[in-house]
Amino acid sequence: NAGVTQTPKFRILKIGQSMTLQCTQDMNHNYMYWYRQDPGMGLKLIYYSVGAGITDKGEVPNGYNVSRSTTEDFPLRLELAAPSQTSVYFCATPGGHSYNEQFFGPGTRLTVL
Amino acid sequence: GENVEQHPSTLSVQEGDSAVIKCTYSDSASNYFPWYKQELGKGPQLIIDIRSNVGEKKDQRIAVTLNKTAKHFSLHITETQPEDSAVYFCASNTGNQFYFGTGTSLTVIP
Repeated sequence: NAGVTQTPKFRILKIGQSMTLQCTQDMNHNYMYWYRQDPGMGLKLIYYSVGAGITDKGEVPNGYNVSRSTTEDFPLRLELAAPSQTSVYFCATPGGHSYNEQFFGPGTRLTVL
Repeated sequence: GENVEQHPSTLSVQEGDSAVIKCTYSDSASNYFPWYKQELGKGPQLIIDIRSNVGEKKDQRIAVTLNKTAKHFSLHITETQPEDSAVYFCASNTGNQFYFGTGTSLTVIP
């Protein structure tokens, strides 16, 4: 039971490149979230999903896209990477019975040069 | 939208002393307030939470208090140990969205 897994762990992109950050959970929960964490700052919600086929914008969605075709996977897409997207990205899903609790993955550290 | 403020940004205490971290929020509809501990290179980990219908919750050396009228909540760690050194985040939950404070870097000096 791995919980939440994220790949890759690290990535360096050039400006304008695209990539997909992968997130997979085996907790069988409908809710999944993507956050970014900038140095010295708290986490900001990018997108979230309350179930397969349903996604919604969070606080900072610009420059990102998501899809949710299965309960387990919630990939985050960067189409035209910009230096402002340099950050650590965390995926989360509720760990318990309540949808409130957030169980975080290990994160993906992305640098855009 | 919701605004969560967290203080202090850094905190150093001697081993065995208590540590207190405070957060305020702005949205009166917020009803769930978790606290997370983040160690270097890892994702945040939930350590304690409190719902809006409760004023205080305790789990061993960790306690959280909530004052809904004043819109603030606090994390209390007693008998601190070196392994408590980490960054701590408060958060509030409104609907499906979570809003985080900017974090407190706690250092416990042996």
